[in-house]
Amino acid sequence: GAVVSQHPSWVICKSGTSVKIECRSLDFQATTMFWYRQFPKQSLMLMATSNEGSKATYEQGVEKDKFLINHASLTLSTLTVTSAHPEDSSFYICSAPTAISYNSPLHFGNGTRLTVT
Amino acid sequence: AQSVTQLDSHVSVSEGTPVLLRCNYSSSYSPSLFWYVQHPNKGLQLLLKYTSAATLVKGINGFEAEFKKSETSFHLMKPSAHMSDAAEYFCVVSDGNFGNEKLTFGTGTRLTIIP
Repeated sequence: GAVVSQHPSWVICKSGTSVKIECRSLDFQATTMFWYRQFPKQSLMLMATSNEGSKATYEQGVEKDKFLINHASLTLSTLTVTSAHPEDSSFYICSAPTAISYNSPLHFGNGTRLTVT
Repeated sequence: AQSVTQLDSHVSVSEGTPVLLRCNYSSSYSPSLFWYVQHPNKGLQLLLKYTSAATLVKGINGFEAEFKKSETSFHLMKPSAHMSDAAEYFCVVSDGNFGNEKLTFGTGTRLTIIP
């Protein structure tokens, strides 16, 4: 079945550094990918929609200059947390539909736990 | 606007007994509804989905959910809980315009199974 691979699964970084998270669709092409953020014991909140070959669409309240999204190919989207701070520590999850059609299933990566010290 | 309300943040059941996780939704369109499960530090796995076909939806691992328009509910059920069912469960709604493009997640229900 369709698989979305997310890397790394966990990362610890120092405050002020940048961290890149990769999301790959392994056996299908994804013109759209979604990035979610999940705080401990809370639900998932959509951060942005990544579009292959064009700019990402950010949800209200999400800083686009802080969370840089690049979707350079049909199988890879990256989220870069720039100048990370402890409040950016969270669980980041990507997802991709197997086809842009009504109710095609979304497949989720296993998530990346980011800890900023 | 669309939203889902998961009525219980935490449910505990004994192994072998029925499971009921409650979800109510609000949507301006004919909604698509989903239940996802998340094990600790893992991504999400789709349990089942409703997309205006049969109102009783069967999913994986013995779970099923019933769509009740009159009650705006989409409760998740399983006849007999297993230890491996312990996880976080999310009820999710997607509006009818674009299917899966934007999902709205409920706040989640943590299911604990008592041996």
